[in-house]
Amino acid sequence: DQQVKQNSPSLSVQEGRISILNCDYTNSMFDYFLWYKKYPAEGPTFLISISSIKDKNEDGRFTVFLNKSAKHLSLHIVPSQPGDSAVYFCAASDVRISGTYKYIFGTGTRLKVLA
Amino acid sequence: DGGITQSPKYLFRKEGQNVTLSCEQNLNHDAMYWYRQDPGQGLRLIYYSQIVNDFQKGDIAEGYSVSREKKESFPLTVTSAQKNPTAFYLCASSILPGANTEAFFGQGTRLTVV
Repeated sequence: DQQVKQNSPSLSVQEGRISILNCDYTNSMFDYFLWYKKYPAEGPTFLISISSIKDKNEDGRFTVFLNKSAKHLSLHIVPSQPGDSAVYFCAASDVRISGTYKYIFGTGTRLKVLA
Repeated sequence: DGGITQSPKYLFRKEGQNVTLSCEQNLNHDAMYWYRQDPGQGLRLIYYSQIVNDFQKGDIAEGYSVSREKKESFPLTVTSAQKNPTAFYLCASSILPGANTEAFFGQGTRLTVV
């Protein structure tokens, strides 16, 4: 049972345009959400996160939006750059509710930014 | 220079053999995790540990074992009972206590059964 879903396996965007990566979750107890970027044969690197008490968090070119009623979050990258080409994973945790420190990951979206 | 070190980067195992993947962190993190990545399946949690001498099964623990004898070390053993062990294995760690922290990942170990 996939609790965190990324329904788009891949996305292609022109350089300079906006990239929007989407993520849906089923567990309403999740209270912290993260986005990671991963290159082949490397470990994921943390990009940005958002707590469930917020609906938006910005860090430079990256913005994460959270819609709790829809159980949906999205990552916006503006402007997109060729170096952004990677696989992006969203993840969620319910640590404040469950006290259990674990992160549940989605299946990833491969972003390709075209020069 | 703080971080998580996984070794080896590549590992080959014959069918029927147990093999142990190393994970060491010098970030003074309490929690450590093992994930497995397969094509199209994202990162799936194998085991996690919140404190020394304690660990819990994740979603796909069958055929794996772990130990947490030291805070900085969380080795994963892939046993012969694991039916499909060929995969990319990722170790991670995070701070405890307090919520809203990210996990930091190592560079991964690619295990291939030959």
